[in-house]
Amino acid sequence: EIVLTQSPGTLSLSPGERATLSCRASQSVNSNYLAWYQHKPGQAPRLLIYGASSRATGIPDRFSGSGSGTDFTLTISRLEPEDFAVFYCQHYGSAPYTFGQGTKLEIK
Amino acid sequence: EVQLLESGGGLVQPGGSLRLSCAASGLTFRNYALTWARQAPGKGLEWVSTISYSGDNTHYADSVKGRFTISRDDSKNTLYLQMNSLRAEDTAVYYCAKRQWPDPFDYWGQGALVTVSS
Repeated sequence: EIVLTQSPGTLSLSPGERATLSCRASQSVNSNYLAWYQHKPGQAPRLLIYGASSRATGIPDRFSGSGSGTDFTLTISRLEPEDFAVFYCQHYGSAPYTFGQGTKLEIK
Repeated sequence: EVQLLESGGGLVQPGGSLRLSCAASGLTFRNYALTWARQAPGKGLEWVSTISYSGDNTHYADSVKGRFTISRDDSKNTLYLQMNSLRAEDTAVYYCAKRQWPDPFDYWGQGALVTVSS
């Protein structure tokens, strides 16, 4: 089972700032089957990034993903007020399709 | 427009059973693998179970293996999760989602709350 560890646990930033979120895997993620989701209270999770670096349909270009192997990063270039939420990474190459524990992005 | 709508949540006593449903519309249901994930109060997302597009392959998290059963009825465009021997730690909002290999789970429902308590 691949264990995903996200850091930091909480990130406090202001609108307009740059956010950098990390996801580290316990073993190499095959073919970069690594996704990032945004989750707000009372809403469905929203797919942001797949294949480590490809933006999902309709996702603004201020969201970008990078990395390979065991180290992955989600970057939000200039934070908008609606971006504040909890972000999860997930590997989806083979079961179990584990999630990281999440990073809460909060308004400073 | 794709829609996934979970139902069947509610309050159940420890040791009891419950069946969740996820009704899909706006997609060719039989083409997609489907999954259940959950979020316990104050916790993060946890993958629970996945069924292949054909229904031939199923996978479960260790935390629910032997107690939960995932199934699908393509004639009704509906995904199910039969939950038996429920425990307090199964209390969570349960979400369904779809994927088409090799893409990830790209669309999620709004969730159904399951509360296990006496």
